[in-house]
Amino acid sequence: DVKVTQSSRYLVKRTGEKVFLECVQDMDHENMFWYRQDPGLGLRLIYFSYDVKMKEKGDIPEGYSVSREKKERFSLILESASTNQTSMYLCASRSTASGANVLTFGAGSRLTVL
Amino acid sequence: GENVEQHPSTLSVQEGDSAVIKCTYSDSASNYFPWYKQELGKRPQLIIDIRSNVGEKKDQRIAVTLNKTAKHFSLHITETQPEDSAVYFCAASKNNQGGKLIFGQGTELSVKP
Repeated sequence: DVKVTQSSRYLVKRTGEKVFLECVQDMDHENMFWYRQDPGLGLRLIYFSYDVKMKEKGDIPEGYSVSREKKERFSLILESASTNQTSMYLCASRSTASGANVLTFGAGSRLTVL
Repeated sequence: GENVEQHPSTLSVQEGDSAVIKCTYSDSASNYFPWYKQELGKRPQLIIDIRSNVGEKKDQRIAVTLNKTAKHFSLHITETQPEDSAVYFCAASKNNQGGKLIFGQGTELSVKP
């Protein structure tokens, strides 16, 4: 069973703080994703990574950066948190094996920025 | 880029009735269309998907239809049960085996006993 683990379920930060959200998967998946989930807006893609040290912007990358130094770990960084980044953040991974296109999600990290 | 619109945002049905959720996509190059179900407090999970080379796919009480010409696809749930209550997300991707997955806004389905 693929495990995607997000290090923090709940975080409370102050405006201007630097925030790190960590995601680790244990099945050697090449692709990893960060989505943001807000009511009425669905799942919006922030960044994704096809493989180690590779990253591509999603639809809402402003205010975020990412790091993929190791295959199993994909970090989302908020350089200077703002109140409009209060949200649920979901990490996901996916294998590129033939026929595989299923995202496996983590449990989510709920971030509140005060 | 791809844009996926999903309707309705909320849907309430009586147990045993059918439920239909519709999505439209903007990029005619999209060729993979999954549906994810997210129960309250849980992570989204894939329930069914369809590729652009077929028009319909069924798995027990759920089915998905695809109209490539009109660029829309739908999820059909028959004989709904209370455990079908959840948020459902449609998505679209350009690549069967890769590429970013763009999700719709979600539909909160409530099945009343």
